[in-house]
Amino acid sequence: AQSVAQPEDQVNVAEGNPLTVKCTYSVSGNPYLFWYVQYPNRGLQFLLKYITGDNLVKGSYGFEAEFNKSQTSFHLKKPSALVSDSALYFCAVRDQYSSASKIIFGSGTRLSIRP
Amino acid sequence: DTAVSQTPKYLVTQMGNDKSIKCEQNLGHDTMYWYKQDSKKFLKIMFSYNNKELIINETVPNRFSPKSPDKAHLNLHINSLELGDSAVYFCASSQVRAGVAYNEQFFGPGTRLTVL
Repeated sequence: AQSVAQPEDQVNVAEGNPLTVKCTYSVSGNPYLFWYVQYPNRGLQFLLKYITGDNLVKGSYGFEAEFNKSQTSFHLKKPSALVSDSALYFCAVRDQYSSASKIIFGSGTRLSIRP
Repeated sequence: DTAVSQTPKYLVTQMGNDKSIKCEQNLGHDTMYWYKQDSKKFLKIMFSYNNKELIINETVPNRFSPKSPDKAHLNLHINSLELGDSAVYFCASSQVRAGVAYNEQFFGPGTRLTVL
């Protein structure tokens, strides 16, 4: 069975500071990992993914995420936060052995960037 | 040039009614999905179709019936609506290669369903 956890409901960061949104996962085989962002009253937008290769993945809007197999984590990071980064962020995972198209989403983390 | 579109955007209806939500994607993807997002923003998959074939059917009441007339369309019909059906329903699509979902999903704008 596959699962994903986002331990923080909310993360508050001052503009210009680095931000981290945490994600841990549990799968049977190799994980396929994704981050999505949801702005108010909008659908989810893809940010980045890890399938294989380099553990550090770069994505849209200056975001990056680091895959850590030993800690089963895939934290989302950005060196310098912008007020416009304020949104709801979802981590998602798919197990290589699970149904072809089913991915599991975390419960979401609300990121709030104060000016 | 909208990639994934849904209609209607808002749907307000009485308990017991039957309603449908339509979804279309112009990305040429072979797989489409329906998700339900509740008031706490928790996102759960309901159904998935690959090339018009149902491949994921989660524990959803049989009042919900998806229909995929072709690869580009996936509709959701809901019978006998209940208060608990109130949520935002998202359609999404992706390309699944050789049975493996490497690729990200593209989401529609959502349909906010309110059952009174």
